[in-house]
Amino acid sequence: GNSVTQMEGPVTLSEEAFLTINCTYTATGYPSLFWYVQYPGEGLQLLLKATKADDKGSNKGFEATYRKETTSFHLEKGSVQVSDSAVYFCAFILTGGGNKLTFGTGTQLKVEL
Amino acid sequence: EPEVTQTPSHQVTQMGQEVILRCVPISNHLYFYWYRQILGQKVEFLVSFYNNEISEKSEIFDDQFSVERPDGSNFTLKIRSTKLEDSAMYFCASSAILSSGNTIYFGEGSWLTVV
Repeated sequence: GNSVTQMEGPVTLSEEAFLTINCTYTATGYPSLFWYVQYPGEGLQLLLKATKADDKGSNKGFEATYRKETTSFHLEKGSVQVSDSAVYFCAFILTGGGNKLTFGTGTQLKVEL
Repeated sequence: EPEVTQTPSHQVTQMGQEVILRCVPISNHLYFYWYRQILGQKVEFLVSFYNNEISEKSEIFDDQFSVERPDGSNFTLKIRSTKLEDSAMYFCASSAILSSGNTIYFGEGSWLTVV
């Protein structure tokens, strides 16, 4: 079946460290891929997306590249800040899938000074 | 930036009681959704709604659940007789068009606790 697998958290980093949050997907069709972020006390916000293979989504210093050959969409940031502390969700929508998002379990990121 | 708003932010209810969670989607959006997240688990799709009818629902969305767009701005989720396992964060969402690459905008969630 369709699913998203994310690395388990919490991930704890020092400020200015490099971040990678792994995400792989299993999809029966051709998906569009998303990263959503949930800051403390807030709702889910779209962070970035990629709609076809080899596309790179980017926003606020975060990047993720759609890798069809490895069915992955790993999230990276070169230098994290305390304000990046949040829960990050990888998700996809299948083409023709009616806008139904399939989410991973979320990865909590804590950035310390 | 336009946003999806949800009320209440937190509700505690007795088991067996009816609950209505309310949402105001972004004004020019046509597609509306409810998702939920049980504590520590994945965010799960419940239902999508378009043109005043349900377009898709998950197996979670059984007869205890219903959705309604009572007027031009609100979108509600009703749980007829709540169970302990309905305790979760419920997210409303909306989107402008039906496309796999389209952005779906989420509200801040309504945290439901059934006791």
